[in-house]
Amino acid sequence: DIQMTQSPSLLSASVGDRVTINCKASQNINKYLNWYQQKLGEAPKLLIYNTNNLQTGIPSRFSGSGSGTDYTLTISSLQPEDFGTYFCFQHNSWPLTFGSGTKLEIK
Amino acid sequence: QVKLQQSGAELVKPGASVKLSCKTSGYTFSTSYMSWFKQIPGQSIEWIGMIYAGDGGTGYNQKFKGKATLTVDTSSSTAYMDLSSLTTEDSAVYFCARRYYDGTYYSNWFAYWGQGTLVTVSS
Repeated sequence: DIQMTQSPSLLSASVGDRVTINCKASQNINKYLNWYQQKLGEAPKLLIYNTNNLQTGIPSRFSGSGSGTDYTLTISSLQPEDFGTYFCFQHNSWPLTFGSGTKLEIK
Repeated sequence: QVKLQQSGAELVKPGASVKLSCKTSGYTFSTSYMSWFKQIPGQSIEWIGMIYAGDGGTGYNQKFKGKATLTVDTSSSTAYMDLSSLTTEDSAVYFCARRYYDGTYYSNWFAYWGQGTLVTVSS
């Protein structure tokens, strides 16, 4: 199975900050990497698919980049509604696997 | 619009089985794929398996073979997951999610999710 390692596991930032979350795969996943946001008691919400494609309806302050085994989610200017837990997700190989999550707190 | 409505919370005893449902609307169920996921509160998400509604064909995460059984009822556009021989380690929220389809190709990711069903295994 492909292991997905996220960092940091906890992130505290202020409104307006630029925030970066990292995800490292245990092997090359060929840019088949998505990012999800999850709030307490809710289903995951798709933000980015295939590394750098913004899902419909997602604000442009979210962006993704990466290749090979290393991927990044960036929020250019943090907003109060961006709190929650962020997961990376690889769909290059079976079984599909998620990262361990990054909890983003707003200062 | 696409909707996935999951069944309500379950409290079940160790050793028992439970059947969760995911009723869909807003798209053609019979040519779609549905996946199921497990999330222990406060932890990450695990992919359990996927089923094709067209013929009932399934694929499972090896970890969940023998634990989960996926089925569909195309007459009611509903997907089901049976969980058997439950233990406290099966206590979790379970989500259904539709495999992405752009009208031509399927991709192995998920934009539409059910709201989740909490399963609590306790005597």
